[in-house]
Amino acid sequence: GDSVTQMEGPVTLSEEAFLTINCTYTATGYPSLFWYVQYPGEGLQLLLKATKADDKGSNKGFEATYRKETTSFHLEKGSVQVSDSAVYFCALTTNTGNQFYFGTGTSLTVIP
Amino acid sequence: ETGVTQTPRHLVMGMTNKKSLKCEQHLGHNAMYWYKQSAKKPLELMFVYNFKEQTENNSVPSRFSPECPNSSHLFLHLHTLQPEDSALYLCASSQEAALSTVGTQYFGPGTRLTVL
Repeated sequence: GDSVTQMEGPVTLSEEAFLTINCTYTATGYPSLFWYVQYPGEGLQLLLKATKADDKGSNKGFEATYRKETTSFHLEKGSVQVSDSAVYFCALTTNTGNQFYFGTGTSLTVIP
Repeated sequence: ETGVTQTPRHLVMGMTNKKSLKCEQHLGHNAMYWYKQSAKKPLELMFVYNFKEQTENNSVPSRFSPECPNSSHLFLHLHTLQPEDSALYLCASSQEAALSTVGTQYFGPGTRLTVL
């Protein structure tokens, strides 16, 4: 079945460090891929998305490229800030139905 | 008020209680969803409503009963829950339930449920 696997956390980085959170997927058909972010005490917010292979989603300095050959959608940011501390979820939906599949989430803490 | 709101934000209930969670969206969307978020587990989709009709029920126990009186409101009625039902319950909405074409869900802040 369709699924998303993302790296386990928690991840702790110093401010201005480079961030990578790995995400790989399994899907039938042609999925759309998403990163959601959940700040403490809040619901999930869409961070970025990519709907076809080789698309790059970007927002707030975060980027992720849809790699069909490696079935991956890794999240990157060149220089993290304390305000980026949150839980990040990789997700996919396919063109076969109305299901969203989420990863388990990766907690990121950025320390000054 | 904008976006997706959920009430209450926190709820503690006994196993014999009956309670309801409420979700309201102010985005003009036609699809609404209930998710369960447990620690160290992927979000679990529970129910999907599209234009007030339930289109998905992911093998959710009958002690959870959804209700969607209109496209803006969604309820989750709870009765005789178990301690393992303790979790964060998230509501979401989207333009329609054909996620492959729209692809974006907007989430509420969740209700933190504790079952004693």
